[in-house]
Amino acid sequence: SQQGEEDPQALSIQEGENATMNCSYKTSINNLQWYRQNSGRGLVHLILIRSNEREKHSGRLRVTLDTSKKSSSLLITASRAADTASYFCATDAIQGAQKLVFGQGTRLTINP
Amino acid sequence: NAGVMQNPRHLVRRRGQEARLRCSPMKGHSHVYWYRQLPEEGLKFMVYLQKENIIDESGMPKERFSAEFPKEGPSILRIQQVVRGDSAAYFCASSPRGSASGANVLTFGAGSRLTVL
Repeated sequence: SQQGEEDPQALSIQEGENATMNCSYKTSINNLQWYRQNSGRGLVHLILIRSNEREKHSGRLRVTLDTSKKSSSLLITASRAADTASYFCATDAIQGAQKLVFGQGTRLTINP
Repeated sequence: NAGVMQNPRHLVRRRGQEARLRCSPMKGHSHVYWYRQLPEEGLKFMVYLQKENIIDESGMPKERFSAEFPKEGPSILRIQQVVRGDSAAYFCASSPRGSASGANVLTFGAGSRLTVL
């Protein structure tokens, strides 16, 4: 299976701290994306990193990709209570499937 | 410029009934994806469609489930003879192109929550 796996499954930190979530996957990919889901809502795209990129920034988000280890990390700096949500990585395989495969997600709680 | 519209947002069915979930993609998007999410879990791919074509239905159960995306109108996910295990949130997403044409960023709807009594 190509499915990504996030780690940790749940993370609870204090407001202002940094939050790091990790994602591992199994097959070669074109790109990897991170999405956010607030409770009871749909997913919202955060950031995309291509297989030939190693690091990407967007505001308080920093994503890294290590294709040799088939892993990615999402760092949220200076967390806010509004960052409380579930975060999912999604991979887009090189061969075959034309679909994004999502991991199980990390549930992030930011305590005020 | 409305996003991906799904309806109904909530649907309650008794075992054995049929459930029909509708999805209107974003304007200009011709690719539609359906995913299922159980509580506290990730999204499981079900089916990928373009107008009048099913491209990949590898994640959809062979029985009772069907999907279509007609030339006119929304995409429909149909579940016949529902069972309690079908209770879940069903999310539709759309994109302007498939991943074969480049990076495939999906825009999601708010989901349809099916409860089977």
